[in-house]
Amino acid sequence: QSVLTQPPSASGTPGQRVTISCSGSGSNIGTNEIYWFQQFPGTAPKLLIYRNDQRPSGVPDRFSGSKSGSSASLAISGLRSDDEVVYYCASWDDTLSAWVFGGGTQVTVL
Amino acid sequence: QVQLVQSGAEVKKPGSSVKVSCKVSGDTFSSHAINWVRQAPGQGLEWIGRIIPIFRSPNFAQKFQGRVTITTDDSTNTAYMELSSLRFDDTAIYFCARDGTGIRGSHFGGYWGQGTLLSVSS
Repeated sequence: QSVLTQPPSASGTPGQRVTISCSGSGSNIGTNEIYWFQQFPGTAPKLLIYRNDQRPSGVPDRFSGSKSGSSASLAISGLRSDDEVVYYCASWDDTLSAWVFGGGTQVTVL
Repeated sequence: QVQLVQSGAEVKKPGSSVKVSCKVSGDTFSSHAINWVRQAPGQGLEWIGRIIPIFRSPNFAQKFQGRVTITTDDSTNTAYMELSSLRFDDTAIYFCARDGTGIRGSHFGGYWGQGTLLSVSS
């Protein structure tokens, strides 16, 4: 069982906005920053969002992150077919002294 | 740009050890944390541990304490992760990931290696 909780799947039609949630606790998201990664099959994860809402250079502004209390969200606007991959959230956990991940959310473009 | 290149796939027997390397190029090596993360077949991401080369003091997820060693070689800008007493469920892709640099300094997971597949099989 993952320390952070994500829905296993999310879906939308092309052009729609899709939101993925990530729920944690006071020892992780409630205290520390949230990160989001995108992973294509057979490849390494790619950083999408760091420090809650910052995009690395090269990440389109269609991707946005937010955090409230012990939960966080990743929003994908203008959904495209190549967004149809798995997304993971991550945060540092003060109790475990470890980086913890969500179980991943598979996005499907209908 | 920053690149992380990992060593090749490994096949090991239960009870043995494996040492995976991660060579960093394109940026200073010593001041950024290098994390090790694994992914079992069809599963999610699991953090193993990290090291900041300049401090040489790694820390690990409790699950791997006593079984994992993380080291660095500053002369070759390479990080190593050694996992011992291998079990069948250690079969996974092992990734190294170096901190990136953003508007407020270093941050987790900026750059990733391509992954090293470890298969534990008798």
